[in-house]
Amino acid sequence: GNSVTQMEGPVTLSEEAFLTINCTYTATGYPSLFWYVQYPGEGLQLLLKATKADDKGSNKGFEATYRKETTSFHLEKGSVQVSDSAVYFCALSDRGFNKFYFGSGTKLNVKP
Amino acid sequence: EPEVTQTPSHQVTQMGQEVILRCVPISNHLYFYWYRQILGQKVEFLVSFYNNEISEKSEIFDDQFSVERPDGSNFTLKIRSTKLEDSAMYFCASGPDGSYEQYFGPGTRLTVT
Repeated sequence: GNSVTQMEGPVTLSEEAFLTINCTYTATGYPSLFWYVQYPGEGLQLLLKATKADDKGSNKGFEATYRKETTSFHLEKGSVQVSDSAVYFCALSDRGFNKFYFGSGTKLNVKP
Repeated sequence: EPEVTQTPSHQVTQMGQEVILRCVPISNHLYFYWYRQILGQKVEFLVSFYNNEISEKSEIFDDQFSVERPDGSNFTLKIRSTKLEDSAMYFCASGPDGSYEQYFGPGTRLTVT
């Protein structure tokens, strides 16, 4: 079946530190992969996506590369800001279906 | 920028009561979804809805659940007789074309006591 596993949180970093949030997946088909972010009190916002192997999604300094050989889609940012504090969800959508499979979310706290 | 809205933001109800969670999708979207997240667990798909009928539902979406688009703007999730294990955050989403492009609302936190 389809599933997503991401690292447990919370992750606490100082401002300007390097961020990695690990995400691995299992899929029966050939999925598209996503990172969503949820700021306090807000909905899930699409952060970035990748629809095929070796694609790199990027947005707001965040990036993630679709690695089919390791079934991974790790989220990275070179220098985090306090405003990046949020919960980050890795997700997949299997081709031919229009529903998402989400990871459990990783809370990021960035301290000044 | 258009967004999906949900009301209420937090609902507390007693076990066995009926609840209706409301969503206003983005106005020109045609596909509607409900997901839920039990505290500390994954966001799970519940149901998708298109052309006034359910297009897909998960095994979680049993006879206690129903969805409706009563007036062309709202999209509701009804739980007929709530159980303690229904306590969760419920997210509504809408999309223009049934692809992975889905826009999520802020969620309704349902607490069943």
